[in-house]
Amino acid sequence: SQQGEEDPQALSIQEGENATMNCSYKTSINNLQWYRQNSGRGLVHLILIRSNEREKHSGRLRVTLDTSKKSSSLLITASRAADTASYFCATDGASKIIFGSGTRLSIRP
Amino acid sequence: GAGVSQSPRYKVAKRGQDVALRCDPISGHVSLFWYQQALGQGPEFLTYFQNEAQLDKSGLPSDRFFAERPEGSVSTLKIQRTQQEDSAVYLCASSPQAGGREETQYFGPGTRLLVL
Repeated sequence: SQQGEEDPQALSIQEGENATMNCSYKTSINNLQWYRQNSGRGLVHLILIRSNEREKHSGRLRVTLDTSKKSSSLLITASRAADTASYFCATDGASKIIFGSGTRLSIRP
Repeated sequence: GAGVSQSPRYKVAKRGQDVALRCDPISGHVSLFWYQQALGQGPEFLTYFQNEAQLDKSGLPSDRFFAERPEGSVSTLKIQRTQQEDSAVYLCASSPQAGGREETQYFGPGTRLLVL
């Protein structure tokens, strides 16, 4: 079972545009993380946001967290071809990290 | 420094065969996790080690799955009498401190298992 659900499941945008992905979860959390997975490879950690934080930035990434709505969003600005990947949110469950089903992002040249 | 490595990268097994998947975590990392990732899905937790102790194995799908980390470094995930539904990518991750769920996990490239 997966706690986090990403929306949309797939997203295709033009290079240079911004990409926004959303994540909803079910139970209370201490933190939420976003990971990226390129085709056929392991996951790479992008950013962690704690439950007492509302927004966090890292380079072209902006993450928001709304604990009242149990949702988070990941914004990638000025997208590049190299951003093509699957993006997963992950929440800390009772004793482990629980991943969502992911958003597949494609950047068109 | 070296990241998390896994071997083999690809494994084809006949149904009923036993397989062993290896994970070399980042040196000194206390926490080690195994995940199973089906095609088009997110990783699903299998088991967690803190050093050599297996503290959580609630995600192991059946008693055919067994994991160990006898010296607190390298870990092996063993699947006995493989079934077709075991076909997936098996990911290993490590993190520096105990617990691991509140900090970054560093993932290996995964082992893609295909059971025929």
